[in-house]
Amino acid sequence: GQNIDQPTEMTATEGAIVQINCTYQTSGFNGLFWYQQHAGEAPTFLSYNVLDGLEEKGRFSSFLSRSKGYSYLLLKELQMKDSASYLCAVSRPRAGSYQLTFGKGTKLSVIP
Amino acid sequence: DTGVSQDPRHKITKRGQNVTFRCDPISEHNRLYWYRQTLGQGPEFLTYFQNEAQLEKSRLLSDRFSAERPKGSFSTLEIQRTEQGDSAMYLCASSPRTSGRANEQFFGPGTRLTVL
Repeated sequence: GQNIDQPTEMTATEGAIVQINCTYQTSGFNGLFWYQQHAGEAPTFLSYNVLDGLEEKGRFSSFLSRSKGYSYLLLKELQMKDSASYLCAVSRPRAGSYQLTFGKGTKLSVIP
Repeated sequence: DTGVSQDPRHKITKRGQNVTFRCDPISEHNRLYWYRQTLGQGPEFLTYFQNEAQLEKSRLLSDRFSAERPKGSFSTLEIQRTEQGDSAMYLCASSPRTSGRANEQFFGPGTRLTVL
């Protein structure tokens, strides 16, 4: 079966750094995605890791350790607009494509 | 706008009625996915199309649910005899045959269904 765990909620201060962790156990693995989802809106792509290590893109970075089944999303210089849910999703090959299995999401609240 | 579009954005219906949602993927994407998302949860996979072929269905997709993609372009998701437990956001996503990020899925804005 598939199991993806991430914290339900986090709170951080504007201008600070926050790390959102994700652990996973899946049968088959073809990369890990992080999506951002504001309330009532569609998920939007943030990052993709398929190899171990850190991927940096502006204020956001994502890390993957395949041997540990672990990833994190690092958000720097937090802004109020970063208040959203952050979804960890594992991609695995299925039926000629790649299926995404999502965690329940981490609701991040950025406070002044 | 060349993103994924969904219609309607909101649907309120009474229990027992049938509803149909439409998804228009990004034009060159041959893969199309339907997900259901309830409050406080991540999206849950429902079904997947490659062109017009429905290649996988989740156990979440009961016999009251049917999805089609008749010409390999837009897709419809129909729910018959709706139940209150069907209230959720229904998300559609599409992905190209190949992608620089291997298999990124692009999501539409979703259809929020409320069953009274």
